[in-house]
Amino acid sequence: EPEVTQTPSHQVTQMGQEVILRCVPISNHLYFYWYRQILGQKVEFLVSFYNNEISEKSEIFDDQFSVERPDGSNFTLKIRSTKLEDSAMYFCASIRTGIKGYTFGSGTRLTVV
Amino acid sequence: DAKTTQPNSMESNEEEPVHLPCNHSTISGTDYIHWYRQLPSQGPEYVIHGLTSNVNNRMASLAIAEDRKSSTLILHRATLRDAAVYYCIRLAGGTSYGKLTFGQGTILTVHP
Repeated sequence: EPEVTQTPSHQVTQMGQEVILRCVPISNHLYFYWYRQILGQKVEFLVSFYNNEISEKSEIFDDQFSVERPDGSNFTLKIRSTKLEDSAMYFCASIRTGIKGYTFGSGTRLTVV
Repeated sequence: DAKTTQPNSMESNEEEPVHLPCNHSTISGTDYIHWYRQLPSQGPEYVIHGLTSNVNNRMASLAIAEDRKSSTLILHRATLRDAAVYYCIRLAGGTSYGKLTFGQGTILTVHP
């Protein structure tokens, strides 16, 4: 079954550094998402992306965050200047139509030290 | 606000059926009911979704009340691998595919 692939699986970065989390959605999917989950807390929506632009973003997704689909296959989340509170699991998801549900990747664990 | 209510936890024995309830009393006529589960240290996984009729797939069955104010996810024979957090989520219908709003979900424990 097709999968959403995320890399790296774990990233450690120093506070203030920029990080880029990468995702390869399923090839014929059209809608793309980033979610995060702080340890022990709920999964939270960050941003949705369709037709090469952001369609919705949450309050969490401030100016420090950006998303890009640079080459038609990758979908990236950039955090410009990481903070300790950005430490979380970040999940990418995609969907083509409503026939089946959203497919999530296995996540990137970001640790900011 | 996830707008659904689920029990915090449930327990089951292996190979027995499990009925996971969800209350969504303020659901609108076009909202779909989605179920996802999250195994330890993994991303959420789609289980099933429906609008009005009961639905079956290889993973589970979804029973939707006639008034659509509640639904039940049915795992016909629980296995140890079904131990996970199960999320019941309302999702607006239509042609756009909006965000999923996760609540705390139901932690399902399966005993051997």
